[in-house]
Amino acid sequence: GAVVSQHPSWVICKSGTSVKIECRSLDFQATTMFWYRQFPKQSLMLMATSNEGSKATYEQGVEKDKFLINHASLTLSTLTVTSAHPEDSSFYICSARPPPQIVAPGTMNTEAFFGQGTRLTVV
Amino acid sequence: AQSVTQLDSHVSVSEGTPVLLRCNYSSSYSPSLFWYVQHPNKGLQLLLKYTSAATLVKGINGFEAEFKKSETSFHLTKPSAHMSDAAEYFCVVSVTNNDMRFGAGTRLTVKP
Repeated sequence: GAVVSQHPSWVICKSGTSVKIECRSLDFQATTMFWYRQFPKQSLMLMATSNEGSKATYEQGVEKDKFLINHASLTLSTLTVTSAHPEDSSFYICSARPPPQIVAPGTMNTEAFFGQGTRLTVV
Repeated sequence: AQSVTQLDSHVSVSEGTPVLLRCNYSSSYSPSLFWYVQHPNKGLQLLLKYTSAATLVKGINGFEAEFKKSETSFHLTKPSAHMSDAAEYFCVVSVTNNDMRFGAGTRLTVKP
Protein backbone atom coordinates (compact mmCIF):
# COMPACT_ATOMS: atom_id res chain seq x y z
CA GLY A 1 0.00 0.00 0.00
CA ALA A 2 0.90 3.64 -0.31
CA VAL A 3 3.12 5.06 2.40
CA VAL A 4 3.04 8.48 3.99
CA SER A 5 5.99 9.43 6.14
CA GLN A 6 5.57 12.09 8.79
CA HIS A 7 8.54 13.56 10.60
CA PRO A 8 9.32 14.04 13.40
CA SER A 9 7.23 11.54 15.34
CA TRP A 10 7.59 13.61 18.46
CA VAL A 11 9.06 16.97 19.36
CA ILE A 12 9.45 19.05 22.48
CA CYS A 13 10.03 22.75 22.06
CA LYS A 14 10.18 25.86 24.17
CA SER A 15 7.35 28.33 24.22
CA GLY A 16 7.82 31.01 21.59
CA THR A 17 9.78 28.90 19.14
CA SER A 18 8.59 27.48 15.83
CA VAL A 19 8.33 23.85 14.86
CA LYS A 20 8.14 22.37 11.37
CA ILE A 21 6.46 19.04 10.65
CA GLU A 22 7.00 17.29 7.33
CA CYS A 23 4.62 15.00 5.51
CA ARG A 24 5.88 13.02 2.53
CA SER A 25 4.14 10.62 0.20
CA LEU A 26 6.81 8.05 -0.56
CA ASP A 27 5.44 6.11 -3.51
CA PHE A 28 2.70 8.21 -5.03
CA GLN A 29 1.97 11.78 -5.96
CA ALA A 30 -0.38 13.49 -3.57
CA THR A 31 -2.46 16.15 -5.22
CA THR A 32 -4.20 16.80 -1.91
CA MET A 33 -2.86 16.72 1.62
CA PHE A 34 -4.76 17.20 4.84
CA TRP A 35 -3.57 18.32 8.25
CA TYR A 36 -5.43 17.23 11.35
CA ARG A 37 -5.11 17.90 15.03
CA GLN A 38 -6.13 15.34 17.60
CA PHE A 39 -6.58 16.00 21.31
CA PRO A 40 -6.37 13.09 23.75
CA LYS A 41 -9.26 10.67 23.34
CA GLN A 42 -10.89 12.86 20.74
CA SER A 43 -11.43 12.68 17.01
CA LEU A 44 -9.30 14.17 14.30
CA MET A 45 -10.17 17.77 13.63
CA LEU A 46 -9.39 18.95 10.13
CA MET A 47 -7.16 22.02 10.24
CA ALA A 48 -6.52 22.64 6.58
CA THR A 49 -6.48 21.13 3.13
CA SER A 50 -3.67 21.86 0.74
CA ASN A 51 -3.31 21.27 -2.95
CA GLU A 52 0.08 21.32 -4.60
CA GLY A 53 1.07 24.75 -5.83
CA SER A 54 -1.81 26.64 -4.27
CA LYS A 55 -2.62 28.18 -0.93
CA ALA A 56 -4.03 25.96 1.75
CA THR A 57 -7.69 26.15 2.66
CA TYR A 58 -8.05 26.53 6.41
CA GLU A 59 -11.00 25.42 8.48
CA GLN A 60 -12.91 27.99 10.42
CA GLY A 61 -11.18 28.89 13.65
CA VAL A 62 -7.71 27.79 12.55
CA GLU A 63 -5.21 30.66 12.52
CA LYS A 64 -3.45 30.84 9.17
CA ASP A 65 -0.56 32.87 10.52
CA LYS A 66 0.03 30.44 13.34
CA PHE A 67 -0.18 27.23 11.37
CA LEU A 68 1.71 27.79 8.15
CA ILE A 69 1.18 25.13 5.51
CA ASN A 70 3.31 24.73 2.43
CA HIS A 71 2.64 22.17 -0.29
CA ALA A 72 5.50 22.90 -2.61
CA SER A 73 5.64 19.59 -4.43
CA LEU A 74 3.42 16.60 -5.14
CA THR A 75 5.19 14.58 -2.48
CA LEU A 76 5.81 17.04 0.34
CA SER A 77 3.72 19.24 2.57
CA THR A 78 4.91 21.00 5.70
CA LEU A 79 3.11 22.40 8.71
CA THR A 80 4.94 25.03 10.73
CA VAL A 81 3.61 25.91 14.15
CA THR A 82 4.86 29.44 14.72
CA SER A 83 5.50 30.98 18.13
CA ALA A 84 4.29 27.83 19.79
CA HIS A 85 2.56 27.95 23.17
CA PRO A 86 1.62 25.18 25.59
CA GLU A 87 -1.96 25.15 24.28
CA ASP A 88 -0.58 24.12 20.88
CA SER A 89 0.58 20.85 22.40
CA SER A 90 -1.28 18.13 20.58
CA PHE A 91 -1.03 15.19 18.18
CA TYR A 92 -0.80 16.38 14.59
CA ILE A 93 -1.56 13.99 11.74
CA CYS A 94 -1.19 14.47 8.02
CA SER A 95 -2.77 12.51 5.24
CA ALA A 96 -2.18 12.42 1.52
CA ARG A 97 -4.54 11.57 -1.26
CA PRO A 98 -3.64 10.53 -4.81
CA PRO A 99 -5.51 12.06 -7.74
CA PRO A 100 -9.17 10.99 -7.81
CA GLN A 101 -10.42 8.14 -9.92
CA ILE A 102 -14.01 8.74 -10.79
CA VAL A 103 -16.12 5.60 -10.56
CA ALA A 104 -19.51 7.28 -10.89
CA PRO A 105 -20.72 10.85 -11.33
CA GLY A 106 -19.75 12.73 -8.19
CA THR A 107 -18.05 9.75 -6.59
CA MET A 108 -14.36 9.04 -6.28
CA ASN A 109 -12.66 5.96 -4.97
CA THR A 110 -9.48 7.35 -3.55
CA GLU A 111 -8.73 6.80 0.08
CA ALA A 112 -6.33 8.96 2.05
CA PHE A 113 -3.15 7.55 3.51
CA PHE A 114 -2.09 8.75 6.91
CA GLY A 115 1.22 9.55 8.47
CA GLN A 116 2.11 8.18 11.87
CA GLY A 117 1.50 11.52 13.52
CA THR A 118 3.64 13.99 15.42
CA ARG A 119 3.25 14.54 19.12
CA LEU A 120 4.12 18.14 19.88
CA THR A 121 4.79 19.21 23.43
CA VAL A 122 5.43 22.88 24.11
CA VAL A 123 7.04 23.66 27.45
CA ALA B 1 -21.89 20.11 3.53
CA GLN B 2 -21.38 16.56 4.62
CA SER B 3 -21.03 15.21 8.13
CA VAL B 4 -20.85 11.92 9.93
CA THR B 5 -22.21 10.83 13.29
CA GLN B 6 -20.90 7.89 15.23
CA LEU B 7 -23.68 6.95 17.55
CA ASP B 8 -21.62 5.32 20.29
CA SER B 9 -18.55 6.86 21.88
CA HIS B 10 -17.67 3.55 23.55
CA VAL B 11 -18.58 -0.05 22.77
CA SER B 12 -17.57 -2.97 24.96
CA VAL B 13 -17.85 -6.60 23.86
CA SER B 14 -16.55 -9.94 25.01
CA GLU B 15 -13.98 -11.78 22.96
CA GLY B 16 -15.67 -14.01 20.42
CA THR B 17 -18.93 -12.04 20.29
CA PRO B 18 -20.12 -9.85 17.40
CA VAL B 19 -19.09 -6.23 17.00
CA LEU B 20 -21.38 -3.46 15.77
CA LEU B 21 -20.09 0.11 15.44
CA ARG B 22 -22.72 2.50 14.17
CA CYS B 23 -22.24 5.37 11.72
CA ASN B 24 -24.76 7.68 10.07
CA TYR B 25 -23.86 10.23 7.46
CA SER B 26 -25.32 13.35 5.96
CA SER B 27 -24.46 14.39 2.43
CA SER B 28 -26.07 16.26 -0.41
CA TYR B 29 -24.22 14.17 -2.95
CA SER B 30 -23.22 10.54 -3.31
CA PRO B 31 -20.54 10.09 -0.69
CA SER B 32 -17.53 7.91 -0.37
CA LEU B 33 -17.40 6.37 3.08
CA PHE B 34 -14.48 4.91 4.97
CA TRP B 35 -13.75 3.19 8.25
CA TYR B 36 -10.32 3.73 9.80
CA VAL B 37 -8.85 2.18 12.92
CA GLN B 38 -6.35 3.83 15.24
CA HIS B 39 -4.41 1.90 17.85
CA PRO B 40 -2.99 3.85 20.82
CA ASN B 41 -0.33 6.36 19.81
CA LYS B 42 -0.37 5.05 16.26
CA GLY B 43 -1.44 6.39 12.90
CA LEU B 44 -4.62 5.42 11.10
CA GLN B 45 -5.19 2.28 9.07
CA LEU B 46 -7.92 1.87 6.50
CA LEU B 47 -10.31 -0.97 7.27
CA LEU B 48 -12.60 -0.62 4.28
CA LYS B 49 -14.20 1.86 1.92
CA TYR B 50 -17.44 2.34 0.02
CA THR B 51 -17.31 4.16 -3.30
CA SER B 52 -20.70 3.44 -4.97
CA ALA B 53 -19.90 -0.08 -6.05
CA ALA B 54 -21.21 -3.01 -3.97
CA THR B 55 -23.18 -1.87 -0.93
CA LEU B 56 -21.71 -4.61 1.24
CA VAL B 57 -18.04 -3.92 1.63
CA LYS B 58 -15.56 -6.39 3.05
CA GLY B 59 -12.41 -5.09 4.68
CA ILE B 60 -9.36 -6.34 6.48
CA ASN B 61 -9.30 -8.40 9.69
CA GLY B 62 -12.79 -9.77 9.13
CA PHE B 63 -14.59 -6.42 9.24
CA GLU B 64 -17.36 -5.48 6.87
CA ALA B 65 -19.81 -2.63 6.45
CA GLU B 66 -23.06 -2.17 4.59
CA PHE B 67 -24.02 1.07 2.88
CA LYS B 68 -27.75 1.72 3.32
CA LYS B 69 -28.81 4.81 1.46
CA SER B 70 -32.38 4.72 2.79
CA GLU B 71 -31.07 4.82 6.34
CA THR B 72 -28.00 6.98 5.55
CA SER B 73 -25.97 4.47 7.49
CA PHE B 74 -22.65 2.70 7.11
CA HIS B 75 -22.35 0.47 10.18
CA LEU B 76 -19.20 -1.56 10.79
CA THR B 77 -19.53 -5.19 11.87
CA LYS B 78 -17.41 -8.20 12.69
CA PRO B 79 -18.80 -11.63 13.55
CA SER B 80 -16.33 -12.42 16.31
CA ALA B 81 -14.24 -9.92 18.25
CA HIS B 82 -10.59 -10.52 18.99
CA MET B 83 -8.54 -8.91 21.72
CA SER B 84 -6.41 -7.21 19.10
CA ASP B 85 -9.48 -5.37 17.79
CA ALA B 86 -9.46 -3.07 20.80
CA ALA B 87 -8.81 0.39 19.36
CA GLU B 88 -10.47 3.62 18.28
CA TYR B 89 -12.58 3.44 15.12
CA PHE B 90 -13.43 6.38 12.90
CA CYS B 91 -16.12 6.66 10.25
CA VAL B 92 -15.19 9.14 7.52
CA VAL B 93 -17.25 10.75 4.77
CA SER B 94 -15.90 12.33 1.61
CA VAL B 95 -17.65 13.93 -1.33
CA THR B 96 -14.85 15.71 -3.13
CA ASN B 97 -11.17 14.98 -3.20
CA ASN B 98 -10.59 18.06 -1.07
CA ASP B 99 -12.72 16.99 1.83
CA MET B 100 -12.61 14.19 4.40
CA ARG B 101 -14.70 14.56 7.53
CA PHE B 102 -14.20 12.37 10.57
CA GLY B 103 -16.78 11.18 13.01
CA ALA B 104 -16.14 11.58 16.71
CA GLY B 105 -14.81 8.06 16.99
CA THR B 106 -15.89 4.92 18.83
CA ARG B 107 -13.61 3.28 21.33
CA LEU B 108 -13.92 -0.50 21.18
CA THR B 109 -13.04 -2.47 24.28
CA VAL B 110 -12.77 -6.26 24.08
CA LYS B 111 -13.08 -8.18 27.33
CA PRO B 112 -11.47 -11.59 27.77
